[in-house]
Amino acid sequence: DTAVSQTPKYLVTQMGNDKSIKCEQNLGHDTMYWYKQDSKKFLKIMFSYNNKELIINETVPNRFSPKSPDKAHLNLHINSLELGDSAVYFCASSPGEKGEKLFFGSGTQLSVL
Amino acid sequence: AQTVTQSQPEMSVQEAETVTLSCTYDTSESDYYLFWYKQPPSRQMILVIRQEAYKQQNATENRFSVNFQKAAKSFSLKISDSQLGDAAMYFCAYRRTGNQFYFGTGTSLTVIP
Repeated sequence: DTAVSQTPKYLVTQMGNDKSIKCEQNLGHDTMYWYKQDSKKFLKIMFSYNNKELIINETVPNRFSPKSPDKAHLNLHINSLELGDSAVYFCASSPGEKGEKLFFGSGTQLSVL
Repeated sequence: AQTVTQSQPEMSVQEAETVTLSCTYDTSESDYYLFWYKQPPSRQMILVIRQEAYKQQNATENRFSVNFQKAAKSFSLKISDSQLGDAAMYFCAYRRTGNQFYFGTGTSLTVIP
């Protein structure tokens, strides 16, 4: 009964490959996010979706494409992986009500070799 | 633009002592929310405490309290009676209208036995 679950937890792949990370939340939240945490632990927002619609798309290479088939799911597809994509990717959700916190998944550690 | 600054990349505290982690933010909004999140080595993001900008009273949660200075745009976290389990990265976060969250660069807290 995990609130925000993302898979896989670890992903090791070669440069140039395409990979996807899946995220699902069972909290009924309207807003979902992808954050990237780099090796210096800096957490940067990548995308934000509200009810399946893209709200925020920060300066992220267009190799990264989020897909939200319904408001409970937000997947992240990455094409032509590069060494610099190595990071921990966090999915999160929020109910959108004032003051409510972000609920985070456990993160996916992506290592590009 | 909203920015969150944590000027202390690393802090250490003796077990049972008190430590204060600093956070400043920049905003033109008057209604917003502030959070402190803890990230232990397990990587999970855990909410420590939250503060509503329109409330003058500082939030407290057991051994954790904040010093919120709205005019100075400062939001520091005080941890009293520090325990070994408090060792973690601590992130200050700002939630603006539109349900968007922005994080500081984090402070790594070491607790010395």
